[in-house]
Amino acid sequence: NAGVTQTPKFRILKIGQSMTLQCTQDMNHNYMYWYRQDPGMGLKLIYYSVGAGITDKGEVPNGYNVSRSTTEDFPLRLELAAPSQTSVYFCASTGGPGQMFIRPQHFGDGTRLSIL
Amino acid sequence: TQLLEQSPQFLSIQEGENLTVYCNSSSVFSSLQWYRQEPGEGPVLLVTVVTGGEVKKLKRLTFQFGDARKDSSLHITAAQPGDTGLYLCAGDGSGTYKYIFGTGTRLKVLA
Repeated sequence: NAGVTQTPKFRILKIGQSMTLQCTQDMNHNYMYWYRQDPGMGLKLIYYSVGAGITDKGEVPNGYNVSRSTTEDFPLRLELAAPSQTSVYFCASTGGPGQMFIRPQHFGDGTRLSIL
Repeated sequence: TQLLEQSPQFLSIQEGENLTVYCNSSSVFSSLQWYRQEPGEGPVLLVTVVTGGEVKKLKRLTFQFGDARKDSSLHITAAQPGDTGLYLCAGDGSGTYKYIFGTGTRLKVLA
């Protein structure tokens, strides 16, 4: 099983450039999340989605946009990249039967992004 | 705003030693999850605790949820180098579909 797949794995951007981080899951999960993780730190939620067509802001949404046109895909777009956005970005999904917060989140392997 | 504070932030111990990691909040959570993250990978779920006072064991790891459901601890007995990693607690954001992650504890077990 592929689980959660993120592309690219690494990317270097120049200040002011834009890019889209791709995330796809094959588990038919309704809930999907984007986090960023700065060196040695925990995870901060950027955006999340509870189903196709529904997205909402997390703790640190400024400078990012998302869309959820299908259950499988949840791309994250960076507009006008800034050095403060240098981080590791993780996509996660959860779903299935039972109470939501008992289910595990399944994470991708991350995208390492440097803005120079 | 719900916050989860983990302590200690860093821990370096010798193989065979015991250790405890704490996850504390002033907010009540209906459940708490513990994840371990290895370098270059995403976090992987270790356990979920849902009942106040609950204790769960996973081989040498013992997880406890506080009676008031505001805190949790992870105890590792006879640590091994394979336990090295970043340990993260995560709780449900009340009334939302968001997970609140703790600040993380980076553990290094020396052979």
